Amino acid sequence: DAGVTQSPTHLIKTRGQQVTLRCSPKSGHDTVSWYQQALGQGPQFIFQYYEEEERQRGNFPDRFSGHQFPNYSSELNVNALLLGDSALYLCASSLAGLAAYEQYFGPGTRLTVT
Amino acid sequence: SQQGEEDPQALSIQEGENATMNCSYKTSINNLQWYRQNSGRGLVHLILIRSNEREKHSGRLRVTLDTSKKSSSLLITASRAADTASYFCATDSGGNKLVFGAGTILRVKS
Repeated sequence: DAGVTQSPTHLIKTRGQQVTLRCSPKSGHDTVSWYQQALGQGPQFIFQYYEEEERQRGNFPDRFSGHQFPNYSSELNVNALLLGDSALYLCASSLAGLAAYEQYFGPGTRLTVT
Repeated sequence: SQQGEEDPQALSIQEGENATMNCSYKTSINNLQWYRQNSGRGLVHLILIRSNEREKHSGRLRVTLDTSKKSSSLLITASRAADTASYFCATDSGGNKLVFGAGTILRVKS
C-alpha cells in the first residue's frame, strides 16, 4: 500500500519563473492538502482539494494555484516565483467526512528560488 | 499565521529520560494532533486527541488536552536516540485544515 508520494524531490528555480509540484495521495484517500514549510517554522496551510475543487484556502496569494485530477492526485502551481517562496512543500492526504481523520504526509518537495 | 506555540523551542535530554513538550492554541478545536519530523522531511503522524478527550496513550507517548486552558502536552517516556526530531502540534478546527505551531526540537543524547 503506497503512501503519499511527491515529485520532484528537489527543485531549483529562478525568480519570476513558474513551478509545478505533484502529489499522489495514499490509496483510498480522496482529499489532498498542500502546506508550505519555511526553514525553522511549522507548516502553513495553502489549500485543500476535494472532488476536483478547492475546498479551503489559507492566506496565500493567487500566485499559488492548484488542481485535483479524477484519480485524486494533485498539482500545486506557483507563478512569478519570489525568493520567499523557497521552502519545503508538503502534500497531505486524508479521507473526507465529518469525523476527524489523521492526515498522511508525503516526503515533500524542497524548492529553492535563486 | 500559526495558531499554536510549542514550549520549549528546543530540548536536550539523555537517553532513557522523559521528554515533555507543551502546546498552546487560540481558537476552539475539533481535535489536536502531534507530528514528528526528521531532518526537514515529511511529517509522521503520532497521535490524535479529540476535543472531548482529556488523555490518550500510544506506546511510549502520552498526550493530554485541556480545552479550558487551550493547551496540550506530549510526553515521551524512556526516550531513545531515534526520538531525536522536531515535534509539532497541529489543531483542526474543522475540515481537516491543520494549523501548526513552530515546533520543538528534541535532541536525545546517547
